Amino acid sequence: AQKVTQAQTEISVVEKEDVTLDCVYETRDTTYYLFWYKQPPSGELVFLIRRNSFDEQNEISGRYSWNFQKSTSSFNFTITASQVVDSAVYFCALSEAVTGGFKTIFGAGTRLFVKA
Amino acid sequence: GAVVSQHPSRVICKSGTSVKIECRSLDFQATTMFWYRQFPKQSLMLMATSNEGSKATYEQGVEKDKFLINHASLTLSTLTVTSAHPEDSSFYICSARTGVGETQYFGPGTRLLVL
Repeated sequence: AQKVTQAQTEISVVEKEDVTLDCVYETRDTTYYLFWYKQPPSGELVFLIRRNSFDEQNEISGRYSWNFQKSTSSFNFTITASQVVDSAVYFCALSEAVTGGFKTIFGAGTRLFVKA
Repeated sequence: GAVVSQHPSRVICKSGTSVKIECRSLDFQATTMFWYRQFPKQSLMLMATSNEGSKATYEQGVEKDKFLINHASLTLSTLTVTSAHPEDSSFYICSARTGVGETQYFGPGTRLLVL
């Protein structure tokens, strides 16, 4: 069965601090996909990154970086030099094959507050 | 990037009425569309998965007769909340993807308030 755990419910940091959002997943499949989405107060989910299970290479995109560790089933997300505009709820998601197709489930989300 | 639109963005209706929400993929063909429901400060809960031209697959606990889903074309899916009640008030979000394992792109969501 799939499961995505985001243990941090809320995180509060001061602007310019680095912050890491944790994501741990469970799956029995060898082929799966991991995602991070940002949900700002407006409500619309913004796609941040997609990773397939065969690609453990870490990725950096500007102030964002992701650390995929299959050995610990984790896909953590770090924001460097956080800014007020980073305040949002961040969701980690796992997509794996089920009967009839692929199914994506979301973690509970981590609410990030960045204070000026 | 891929754009998904939803209409309406907000709807207020009386108890007992039906509400239709449209989801469109604007710049790509979506083989699969998904409907999610999100309560305040909670995660997204998958309601159903629909593939173009076939019946939707509903998640356990979701009433298919209450939440009617139609995926008539590769760019349009509709969710109709039939005989809406106050407990159906929620944020409904659709998403679309081009193929298996591909990224899901999300619409801006529809806030439904049933009085």
